[in-house]
Amino acid sequence: GAGVSQTPSNKVTEKGKYVELRCDPISGHTALYWYRQSLGQGPEFLIYFQGTGAADDSGLPNDRFFAVRPEGSVSTLKIQRTERGDSAVYLCASSSDRGSYNEQFFGPGTRLTVL
Amino acid sequence: AQSVSQHNHHVILSEAASLELGCNYSYGGTVNLFWYVQYPGQHLQLLLKYFSGDPLVKGIKGFEAEFIKSKFSFNLRKPSVQWSDTAEYFCAVRPGEGTGGFKTIFGAGTRLFVKA
Repeated sequence: GAGVSQTPSNKVTEKGKYVELRCDPISGHTALYWYRQSLGQGPEFLIYFQGTGAADDSGLPNDRFFAVRPEGSVSTLKIQRTERGDSAVYLCASSSDRGSYNEQFFGPGTRLTVL
Repeated sequence: AQSVSQHNHHVILSEAASLELGCNYSYGGTVNLFWYVQYPGQHLQLLLKYFSGDPLVKGIKGFEAEFIKSKFSFNLRKPSVQWSDTAEYFCAVRPGEGTGGFKTIFGAGTRLFVKA
């Protein structure tokens, strides 16, 4: 079956612009995670959804970042007034349940470049 | 706050050499521990995980890791590496089930290059 997909694969934008990054989880997976990976670093947790609700958004760096999952499937990460420091690879992962016992399956990521 | 430290950023080995990648974490409660691997041009994928029970866990492709609670360590090992093991390896920690935490914390990664 299909894995986690993310679109676009690459996004180049100018400082101050608004961007949306999309994640399609594996069908039937109720848990969805967003991470940010900067050059030379490991993935950094941003937000976790269980179904439609954000169960933990403690990793969002500031109020310019927002994520939604209105129907409990596809999720969109939204970044307002982008800054050069937002440049990174944004990863999405999904798992079949909220439990720690379930493996997270990662997507290929969206590489965001803010000029 | 939780944190994960991977001791080596870059490791170069010849084929058939033994591998040990260090990982230490900082967290006071029950944890779940993971090693992920990212092969060139591919997604992050799970190599192995520890939740409870036997502290020596076996993963795919001949990898294993040992959880030493007293040392807050979860080192990754492989007796004999192959050229195809060239990849970046990430150690990760997550609060154990029932603690209410879902945040997985990753280390900075170790890039392994295996010379043929």
